[in-house]
Amino acid sequence: DIQMTQSPSSLSASVGDRVTITCQASQDISNYLNWYQQKPGKAPKLLIYDASNLETGVPSRFSGSGSGTDFTFTISSLQPEDIATYYCQQYDNLPPAFGGGTKVEIK
Amino acid sequence: QVQLVESGGGVVQPGGSLRLSCAASGFTFSSYGMHWVRQAPGKGLEWVAFIRYDGSNKYYADSVKGRFTISRDNSKNTLYLQMNSLRAEDTAVYYCAKDRTVTDEGVFDYWGQGTLVTVSS
Repeated sequence: DIQMTQSPSSLSASVGDRVTITCQASQDISNYLNWYQQKPGKAPKLLIYDASNLETGVPSRFSGSGSGTDFTFTISSLQPEDIATYYCQQYDNLPPAFGGGTKVEIK
Repeated sequence: QVQLVESGGGVVQPGGSLRLSCAASGFTFSSYGMHWVRQAPGKGLEWVAFIRYDGSNKYYADSVKGRFTISRDNSKNTLYLQMNSLRAEDTAVYYCAKDRTVTDEGVFDYWGQGTLVTVSS
């Protein structure tokens, strides 16, 4: 099974800051990598699919990049409503696997 | 608009059984693969099971294989998860999730609100 390693596990940043989260796959997954946002008590929400494609309706301050084993998720200017936990997830092979999550807080 | 509504969660003793349902609306249910994903309290997301659009193929996480069964009734637009031989470590919020396209198996574009399963004596 493919393992997904996400870092950091948590971060604290100021409103307007650029925030970056990384995700590493245990083997080459091409671009079969998605990013989700989960707010407390809510279901996850798809933000980015296929490593860099913004889901419809998602603000353009969110972006993703990478391919193979190394991926990056960026919030270009952190907003108060972005407080959440973010997960990467591979779907190159079954079983789909999630990273451990990154909790983003406001400093 | 797309809606997924889970039901059937509750408290069950170890070794017991429970059947979850996920009622779908707002899209052509019979055209999309569907998944169950769970989240233990305070923990991350764990994929549980997948069923193809026509029920022809089913896949399970090793942690539930042989105990859980995923199924669907396309005439009722409903997804199911039959959970047997439940263990304390199965305690979690269970979400149903829809595949984004008919070919992308594993891009979860819509999720239900979740239903809590608690396994405790």
